[in-house]
Amino acid sequence: AQTVTQSQPEMSVQEAETVTLSCTYDTSESDYYLFWYKQPPSRQMILVIRQEAYKQQNATENRFSVNFQKAAKSFSLKISDSQLGDAAMYFCAYNRRTASKLTFGTGTRLQVTL
Amino acid sequence: DTEVTQTPKHLVMGMTNKKSLKCEQHMGHRAMYWYKQKAKKPPELMFVYSYEKLSINESVPSRFSPECPNSSLLNLHLHALQPEDSALYLCASSQGSQGRADTQYFGPGTRLTVL
Repeated sequence: AQTVTQSQPEMSVQEAETVTLSCTYDTSESDYYLFWYKQPPSRQMILVIRQEAYKQQNATENRFSVNFQKAAKSFSLKISDSQLGDAAMYFCAYNRRTASKLTFGTGTRLQVTL
Repeated sequence: DTEVTQTPKHLVMGMTNKKSLKCEQHMGHRAMYWYKQKAKKPPELMFVYSYEKLSINESVPSRFSPECPNSSLLNLHLHALQPEDSALYLCASSQGSQGRADTQYFGPGTRLTVL
C-alpha cells in the first residue's frame, strides 16, 4: 500500500522569507503523480502544484516549486517570498497513474509571521 | 473555471433526520468524489463516481448513500447519522480520463454537525 509521510506537523516562516515543507512517500509503482494542496482556515482545498513522476524537471508555479527526488521518494515544497496569505495547512498527496484514489499525508500547518 | 460548488455550507441535524448534501461542477469532469475530513486531519475518501457509475465505495456505512443524477451533480444522502459523523464533507471532481489519474479539484465543503 502507498503511504505519504509529512514529518513536520507545524512550520513557521517570516514574511518574505523562504520555507521548505517535506514529504516522503512509499510506493512500488514507477508511474504516478504527486500533489501539494493548500487548505487555508476558510477550508477550501486548493491545488498548489502537481508533479508527474516520469518528468525529471521539477514543477514550478510562481513562488512555489518542488524538489522531486524519485529515487529517494522525496517531494518537498519550497515557498519563496512567503506572504501572509500562504498561511494554511499543506497536504502532500500521491496518486497512482491508473487509479483515482488520492493518498494524503497528515499535513503541515504553516504559520507566516510579520 | 475550476469551480466545484457545495450546498449547504453548514448543516445541523438530529440523529433521526434525513438530509442531503449537494455538489455541482460545470467543468465537464466525469469523475466525482466524496471525502470526509475531521478537524486537523487529511480528507478520507468515501466514494468515487466515474461516468455516473459508482466505482469506489470505501466501506462506508449505509447511513451514507451517494447518488449521481448526471455528470454535473453529486448528492450524498444522510440518514440516521451518529454524532461521530460530524465533520467537513468535501466534494471533488476530476477530468475522469479512462485509465489515468487526474488532478482533483475540491469544493469548499459542507460542515456537518450531528446532535
